[in-house]
Amino acid sequence: DSGVTQTPKHLITATGQRVTLRCSPRSGDLSVYWYQQSLDQGLQFLIQYYNGEERAKGNILERFSAQQFPDLHSELNLSSLELGDSALYFCASSVAGTLGEQYFGPGTRLTVT
Amino acid sequence: GENVEQHPSTLSVQEGDSAVIKCTYSDSASNYFPWYKQELGKRPQLIIDIRSNVGEKKDQRIAVTLNKTAKHFSLHITETQPEDSAVYFCAALGTDKLIFGTGTRLQVFP
Repeated sequence: DSGVTQTPKHLITATGQRVTLRCSPRSGDLSVYWYQQSLDQGLQFLIQYYNGEERAKGNILERFSAQQFPDLHSELNLSSLELGDSALYFCASSVAGTLGEQYFGPGTRLTVT
Repeated sequence: GENVEQHPSTLSVQEGDSAVIKCTYSDSASNYFPWYKQELGKRPQLIIDIRSNVGEKKDQRIAVTLNKTAKHFSLHITETQPEDSAVYFCAALGTDKLIFGTGTRLQVFP
């Protein structure tokens, strides 16, 4: 157990819908990262927050957005869902910025039907 | 752009043999190189990492080597066991994010 929690574990929804994925970082970690992993694919970096502020952006679609709250938990919002958005979404956290070791949560498996 | 190449994509070894996975990176300013192990349906787990001020790091049966001049780093697993079977990802710290390799599926046969 890495200490990073994610909810829900599984999510099944229809095309065009909107979902919110939640992540709580390890105690003391200020940075949260979101990754997308499609079937048999690598880890695609989406976005990073550090202490409430957006720090870095990867290949995140405009239909996706995220935020980090004062208690440091983060939410990833996915809207106008398409079949291709079906994937595992991981959250990771680290103490500092990108120089710190990242520890991953258990992931949320999103299935869009 | 920033890129990490990882080879091989699949690797099969007999239990007790060694396994080596190699990665090359493009950003010469990269200074942090972690390795993650991911079992089927599970989260990636950090197993070892190395920073650019050292050339080699060991942790029991796992070692990582770094050649900054050639911009490549490798994961070495000795005395492999069936529980080492998983997908292994290398990564390099880019300008502001970790860049991951495409993964190596390691199978250890008893």
